[in-house]
Amino acid sequence: SQQGEEDPQALSIQEGENATMNCSYKTSINNLQWYRQNSGRGLVHLILIRSNEREKHSGRLRVTLDTSKKSSSLLITASRAADTASYFCAGGATNKLIFGTGTLLAVQP
Amino acid sequence: DGGITQSPKYLFRKEGQNVTLSCEQNLNHDAMYWYRQDPGQGLRLIYYSQIVNDFQKGDIAEGYSVSREKKESFPLTVTSAQKNPTAFYLCASSIFGRRANDQPQHFGDGTRLSIL
Repeated sequence: SQQGEEDPQALSIQEGENATMNCSYKTSINNLQWYRQNSGRGLVHLILIRSNEREKHSGRLRVTLDTSKKSSSLLITASRAADTASYFCAGGATNKLIFGTGTLLAVQP
Repeated sequence: DGGITQSPKYLFRKEGQNVTLSCEQNLNHDAMYWYRQDPGQGLRLIYYSQIVNDFQKGDIAEGYSVSREKKESFPLTVTSAQKNPTAFYLCASSIFGRRANDQPQHFGDGTRLSIL
């Protein structure tokens, strides 16, 4: 079963623009994490936001969490061609993370 | 540098054959995980282990087996009972927290398994 569903499934933008990806999840969670995956590679952890936090920043990344709507968003500002990758949200309230299906981001130079 | 090493990068399986995927970490992490990723899909959990000599089934454990004899190693065997093994397999590790989602997971670069 998938905990999270990302929206949109695919996103294409120009370098320098901002990219926003949304994640909706089904059950209550304690924390939500965002990961990035370059083609053919493993996942890289980007940011973790706890259920008592509403917003968190890390460099060009901004994550929000709305537990009442069971949703989270990832904003990448001033995107670069190197940001091209798939982005996954992951959350869970038990002993495991459950990943969403991901958003494929393409940043055109 | 610390990290997770998966080998081989590519693996081919014949019908009726068991194959073993290697996962080694030098991060001193207690918890290790195996995931399966199909094209255009998210990750699905196969097995996880929070401590040496103990492991738990994930959501899709049928046709797979694991062992955790050493803290650093968590090999996955894809048995002949797994009828659709073609996928990208990812191993991960994390510090053992009270819950898996309390801690970031560190991933290897995967093994791509195909049927001959």
